[in-house]
Amino acid sequence: SYELTQPPSVSVSPGQTASITCSGDRLGDKYGCWYQQKPGQSPVLVIYENNKRPSGIPERFSGSNSGNTATLTISGTQATDEADYYCQAWDSSTACVFGGGTKLTVL
Amino acid sequence: EVQLVETGGGLIQPGGSLRLSCAASGFTVSRNYMNWVRQAPGKGLEWVSVIYSGGTTYYGDSVKGRFTISRDNSKNTLYLQMNSLRAEDTAVYYCARALGSSSCIYFDYWGQGILVTVSS
Repeated sequence: SYELTQPPSVSVSPGQTASITCSGDRLGDKYGCWYQQKPGQSPVLVIYENNKRPSGIPERFSGSNSGNTATLTISGTQATDEADYYCQAWDSSTACVFGGGTKLTVL
Repeated sequence: EVQLVETGGGLIQPGGSLRLSCAASGFTVSRNYMNWVRQAPGKGLEWVSVIYSGGTTYYGDSVKGRFTISRDNSKNTLYLQMNSLRAEDTAVYYCARALGSSSCIYFDYWGQGILVTVSS
């Protein structure tokens, strides 16, 4: 079955750039997307089709996907960006796959 | 406005059955890819099942043969019938609408989630 791997945690200082990676076999051949989940809340889509932002998502959120790695980048990170982030892809054999999630700490 | 409201969760004994419902508004369930995604306490997201607009269904390995996804077009409602429940099925279950096609499918709307606890 297809798997996506994320680092368990990433730390960033306010105003700096945070990068969260998601690795999977030939992930660049698929489309990656990213969700933000704050405690007690439902996930929110922040990036789809590798690098597109839904309406209402700040421009500081961006994405890329190449080779075996998709990356979520948050520029000028704010305290409100502290959350869990999940990557997701759709595989022909497994259907939907989520990464294990990354806890972003802004300190 | 798109809304998804899950109901039907609660405490159930191991081996028991439960049916979750997801009432949708603001769009037509039968014209979309509808999914169930779950999250065990303190854990990550796990995809459970999808029903495509054409009616084809798929399941995650951990629930295959025990869970059944379905929809009632007249009620614009999605269901998840869960049988032979195990302790490891304890989770918040989310109903989610998916957009896209082929290998580019993503969830744009999520319900608030409903807790299912499997325990004796």
